[in-house]
Amino acid sequence: GAGVSQSPSNKVTEKGKDVELRCDPISGHTALYWYRQSLGQGLEFLIYFQGNSAPDKSGLPSDRFSAERTGGSVSTLTIQRTQQEDSAVYLCASSPRQNPNEKLFFGSGTQLSVL
Amino acid sequence: AQSVAQPEDQVNVAEGNPLTVKCTYSVSGNPYLFWYVQYPNRGLQFLLKYITGDNLVKGSYGFEAEFNKSQTSFHLKKPSALVSDSALYFCAVRDGGNFNKFYFGSGTKLNVKP
Repeated sequence: GAGVSQSPSNKVTEKGKDVELRCDPISGHTALYWYRQSLGQGLEFLIYFQGNSAPDKSGLPSDRFSAERTGGSVSTLTIQRTQQEDSAVYLCASSPRQNPNEKLFFGSGTQLSVL
Repeated sequence: AQSVAQPEDQVNVAEGNPLTVKCTYSVSGNPYLFWYVQYPNRGLQFLLKYITGDNLVKGSYGFEAEFNKSQTSFHLKKPSALVSDSALYFCAVRDGGNFNKFYFGSGTKLNVKP
C-alpha cells in the first residue's frame, strides 16, 4: 500500500476483554515500531521489530501486552484483560531498514477506549 | 541516558510572526535529530532531520531547524507562521551508537492565531 495502515481506527471495549490491533507497514520496510500516545502525553515506545524478531520489547507495560510480526510484514499488538489505563492511541511506524538516518513512517493510529 | 525535552507544552504566535519550538536532547553517541508534526486524528508526519553537515536544516512547509551541538538543542523555526501550522510538534532523536529506538519529546502544541 501507499502508507502504513492500521486497523481498526477506533476500538471500544469493555474492561477485561482482549483486543488485537493490526499494523500493515509499507511494503519492503524491515523495521516496525509500536508506540502508545496517551491524552496529553508524548509517545511511549512499546516494542520494535526487525523482520519477524523483536530485539527490543522493553517498552511493553506489562505481561498483558504482546506483539508479533509474521512474514516480515503485518504486526499484531494484543492486549489481554484490558484495563481503563490502556485507553490511548496506539501508533505503528515502519522504516525501510535499520539505519540511523532513516525516518519513521507512521500510520494514523488506533484509538482504544476501555470502558 | 538518552532523552528529548520539549520545555513548552504550548506555543502561541500570531499569523505572520516568526515561530520557534524548542527541543533539547541527550544521547551518548552522535545525535540523529528529527521533527514530526501531528494534525488532529492523524499519525505523525516527517518534517525534517539533521544527520550531519550544515547546522541549519530546511524541511517541509517552510520549516527549518537549527542544530546547536554545544547547547544540545535542535529548535524548530519558521520565519512566518500560518494558521494552518497549528498542530502538535514532536522532536525525536536516535543515538548513533544504538539507533534501534527513536526517543520522542512530549510534544508542543502550536497555536497560530489569525
